[in-house]
Amino acid sequence: SQQGEEDPQALSIQEGENATMNCSYKTSINNLQWYRQNSGRGLVHLILIRSNEREKHSGRLRVTLDTSKKSSSLLITASRAADTASYFCATALNSGGSNYKLTFGKGTLLTVNP
Amino acid sequence: DTAVSQTPKYLVTQMGNDKSIKCEQNLGHDTMYWYKQDSKKFLKIMFSYNNKELIINETVPNRFSPKSPDKAHLNLHINSLELGDSAVYFCASSQEGRRGTQYFGPGTRLTVL
Repeated sequence: SQQGEEDPQALSIQEGENATMNCSYKTSINNLQWYRQNSGRGLVHLILIRSNEREKHSGRLRVTLDTSKKSSSLLITASRAADTASYFCATALNSGGSNYKLTFGKGTLLTVNP
Repeated sequence: DTAVSQTPKYLVTQMGNDKSIKCEQNLGHDTMYWYKQDSKKFLKIMFSYNNKELIINETVPNRFSPKSPDKAHLNLHINSLELGDSAVYFCASSQEGRRGTQYFGPGTRLTVL
């Protein structure tokens, strides 16, 4: 069954503004990851936050995780036109040994207008 | 240097045909995956292999058969193609110790007519 649900489905902002995307999930997780997909391309890993972490930063990205609410948010600061893409959250659950199963949400389509 | 590559990039075929998609990764990763992304961009895992051993096999029709000749390759063969198989198929790989972080190929857009 589908795990992550992103909100909003689509977001349109002006260059320089911040973009916030949210993700909710239903079951327990080992970590939560965010990926970006440019149109017609494969997914690119952005950032991973472990279940015992609450906040993580990477460049202009800030991710939060609230396991009590089963939700995460991705903040992109000072957005650029090149940030235009679909953003997916993925919950990761260890499926034995070093194997993890990722379950993806439906994604948020971010459009950054120049 | 392409990390995860797939061939072909586009595949257009008739219903009932059999086709294969190939995937290769040069990252030295132990685990490889196949995902299906539908027209609404929903991405769902189909299979995963770890060192040529099947680890994850989701509820996928028997017409889909993955084959891993070695840990750098994971191919997907589809028999008796149906209209509903039209989608973009992504291959991905991950390395032990990276908590499931995956590297994706560019995708293969399959269109069944």
